[in-house]
Amino acid sequence: GAVVSQHPSWVICKSGTSVKIECRSLDFQATTMFWYRQFPKQSLMLMATSNEGSKATYEQGVEKDKFLINHASLTLSTLTVTSAHPEDSSFYICSVHDRVDGYTFGSGTRLTVV
Amino acid sequence: AQSVTQLDSQVPVFEEAPVELRCNYSSSVSVYLFWYVQYPNQGLQLLLKYLSGSTLVKGINGFEAEFNKSQTSFHLRKPSVHISDTAEYFCAVSVRAAGNKLTFGGGTRVLVKP
Repeated sequence: GAVVSQHPSWVICKSGTSVKIECRSLDFQATTMFWYRQFPKQSLMLMATSNEGSKATYEQGVEKDKFLINHASLTLSTLTVTSAHPEDSSFYICSVHDRVDGYTFGSGTRLTVV
Repeated sequence: AQSVTQLDSQVPVFEEAPVELRCNYSSSVSVYLFWYVQYPNQGLQLLLKYLSGSTLVKGINGFEAEFNKSQTSFHLRKPSVHISDTAEYFCAVSVRAAGNKLTFGGGTRVLVKP
């Protein structure tokens, strides 16, 4: 399956600042990537579907202006958490849909907002 | 819309004993089914998947699962667990008509005791 690299693996930021998380598909041209959020001891919740060259599709209840997604190339999607607050602290995971494994996940980013 | 229910939130099991993790799904159309494992602060690793064909699916690390269409289940089993199997396990379903989005169950935490 695809190889997915997510960076950074963890980040601490001050309340009110913005944080960018990168998701790279290293060996597969991904027209679609998915972004998930996972709170401690909970399951993964789909936030949005990132579409190369067009606007992302957000799930109901996800603030588009707060979670900015850019998918400018077939190998890179970014998630920017704008004006972060402590309640945005979470584990963020990206995923690529490929034809072999179905879905390959990044290693995740632990965001802590202080 | 599809949904996934993992009936057990936590399963304690002794080393070398068998384990079964239960997963039931709901969907009005044909689905693809997956089991993933997640270790602390890491992304998800695919254990196995059912796309079509044989209902008994064998995966990595000695795991297997059986697709039962009449009972809408996809239970995961391992005949003999190791300490290293301690992790969170997620059942997931996707529907092609839904843009290939993955829907996850709530997760089952397996704790293997020596």
